[in-house]
Order: sequence, then C-alpha cells, then structure tokens
Amino acid sequence: DAGVTQSPTHLIKTRGQQVTLRCSPKSGHDTVSWYQQALGQGPQFIFQYYEEEERQRGNFPDRFSGHQFPNYSSELNVNALLLGDSALYLCASSLQAGGWNSYNEQFFGPGTRLTVL
Amino acid sequence: AQKITQTQPGMFVQEKEAVTLDCTYDTSDQSYGLFWYKQPSSGEMIFLIYQGSYDEQNATEGRYSLNFQKARKSANLVISASQLGDSAMYFCARKKAAGNKLTFGGGTRVLVKP
Repeated sequence: DAGVTQSPTHLIKTRGQQVTLRCSPKSGHDTVSWYQQALGQGPQFIFQYYEEEERQRGNFPDRFSGHQFPNYSSELNVNALLLGDSALYLCASSLQAGGWNSYNEQFFGPGTRLTVL
Repeated sequence: AQKITQTQPGMFVQEKEAVTLDCTYDTSDQSYGLFWYKQPSSGEMIFLIYQGSYDEQNATEGRYSLNFQKARKSANLVISASQLGDSAMYFCARKKAAGNKLTFGGGTRVLVKP
C-alpha cells in the first residue's frame, strides 16, 4: 500500500517564475492538505482540498493556488515566485472526519524542496 | 493567532535515557486534538502520538507517552529508553475539532548520544 507520494523531490526556480507541485494521497484517503516549511521552522498550513474544492485556507497570498482531481490527487501552484518561497512543501492526506472530537491522523509525504534563486 | 510553543530548540540525551519535550498551546476551544510528529533529516513527518482534549487518560504509544495537562494547556512528549534512531526534529501540533488544519510549533531538535 503506497503512502503519500510527492513530485518532484527537488526543484530550482528563479524569481518570477511559476511552479507546480504534485501530490498523490494514501490509498483510500480523500482529503489533501498542503504545508510550507521554511528552514528551521515548523510547517505552516497553506490550504486543504476535499471533493475537488478548497475547504480551508491559511494565511497565504493568492499566488498560492491548488487543485484536486477526481482521483483525489492534488497540485499546488505558486505564481510569481519570491526568494521567500524557498521551503520544503509537504503534502498530507487524510479522511474527512466528523464529530466534535474526531481523531484524524494525517499522513505526510516526503516533501518537495523548492529553491528560488 | 492561537500559538503552539516549544521552548527547547535543541536537546542532547544519552542513549537509553528518557527525555521530555515541552509543548504549550494557546486555545479558547474546548474540543481539540494534540499531535506529536517526528521529522528525520529526510523531511517526512512521522506521526507519533495523539491526545484528544476530552481524553481522560494520557496517551501512550510504545516508548512514547504524552503528559497532558489541560488546565495548564501543556502536552509534553516523553520518549523513554532513547535510541540513536530517535535523533530528529520533533513537532507538537494542534487540530481543532472541525477540519483537518494542523497548527505546528517551532520544533525541538533531539540528538541522542551513544
């Protein structure tokens, strides 16, 4: 059973360019979340997709956009890259859970390391 | 913003000894979940342990246990019998009852010495 996969592993871009990162969730999972982790910091939530729609969004500008496909895989797009976008981008998959005290483990992929020059 | 604070940026621990990693959180919610993740140098976040805010007993998972003090808003991770493979970054995270968004602390780097 494959876990969460992400591609590419590493990516180097220049300022102003656009980038697309890809994520395939763990088998059976229907929700994908994206996180940005700058060097030496904890991950920051970017957004989450469920049923092909953005459901939650963190404090990130509109340059960050995403998509979820019918097979639950997801893409993260970043336009007009800035030096500060250099980070490890983590994808996490889970199941939409209900209930007021639901336990809902998120499984993380290995990440894509983006360097902006 | 409701923050997660990990005050120990780095710790050394002797192999086979126990280590406690601190985590405090700021929330006005009654229902939430607390997670600890391990991140080795490879980058992948590995789930270790979960504690629900209404769980009466502290969570345990093998060598990992969570010292949950709700009134103090703390959720410290205890790793017993440390192994060399435990050397990694450790992150505390909180999730609200609704939704899947995780809010992470800044992490603690643990280095296990032989």
